[in-house]
Amino acid sequence: LAKTTQPISMDSYEGQEVNITCSHNNIATNDYITWYQQFPSQGPRFIIQGYKTKVTNEVASLFIPADRKSSTLSLPRVSLSDTAVYYCLVGDKGNTPLVFGKGTRLSVIA
Amino acid sequence: GAGVSQSPSNKVTEKGKDVELRCDPISGHTALYWYRQSLGQGLEFLIYFQGNSAPDKSGLPSDRFSAERTGGSVSTLTIQRTQQEDSAVYLCASSTGSGHLYEQYFGPGTRLTVT
Repeated sequence: LAKTTQPISMDSYEGQEVNITCSHNNIATNDYITWYQQFPSQGPRFIIQGYKTKVTNEVASLFIPADRKSSTLSLPRVSLSDTAVYYCLVGDKGNTPLVFGKGTRLSVIA
Repeated sequence: GAGVSQSPSNKVTEKGKDVELRCDPISGHTALYWYRQSLGQGLEFLIYFQGNSAPDKSGLPSDRFSAERTGGSVSTLTIQRTQQEDSAVYLCASSTGSGHLYEQYFGPGTRLTVT
C-alpha cells in the first residue's frame, strides 16, 4: 500500500478556504484516493474519493494532479463545525481494511 | 435510516477480566470491520467479515482477541484477560462491499478502559 504523508495540524479562521495536501509518492496505477473526516468522540465519516483531476461534492473538492503523487482536499469557507481530523487514504478495490495514518488535525478559529 | 450502533458506549473493567463489545451494522451491509483507536492516534485495523466469515484476521493483536458475526448481521468482539494496553476506543464499520472503493460507515465506538 502506498504510504501517505500529511501535515499533523492546521489552523484556519472561519470563512476561509482550507487546503490540506497529502503526499503519496508510491501510488499505484489502480489506487484511488479517499478522504475521511473524524469529529471528536465520533467514528470517521467518508468525505470524498477520486482517481484523477478534480472531484467535487456538496462538502469538499479533491484536486489530483496528473502524476497523482499528491492530492489536495479543499474545504470552502470553513466554519467552527469543520474542526476535525482529516485522513487521506490510498488503496485499490482489492485493499479491504482502510489504512489510516494519524491524519491532519484542523482547528477552525472564530 | 439507522446507522451503525455499538454497545456499550463506555466500558470500565479490571485487568484480567473478559469483555464483549457489540456492533449492529447497517441492515443489508455484507462487510463489517473492527478497528481500534488509542488516544491521539489513527485507526488500527483488527478484523473484517464478509458475511459471517472473516477472510482477514491479521490485525488481531493477540490470541486474547476474537470476533464472530452471526446471521450476516451483529458482530461481537471479545477480549479475554484484558490488559491495560487494551484501553482504547473500539470502532465498528460496515459497508455494502469489501474493498477500498466502498464507503465505510462507522459507529460511535466503545471506549474501553482497563484499570
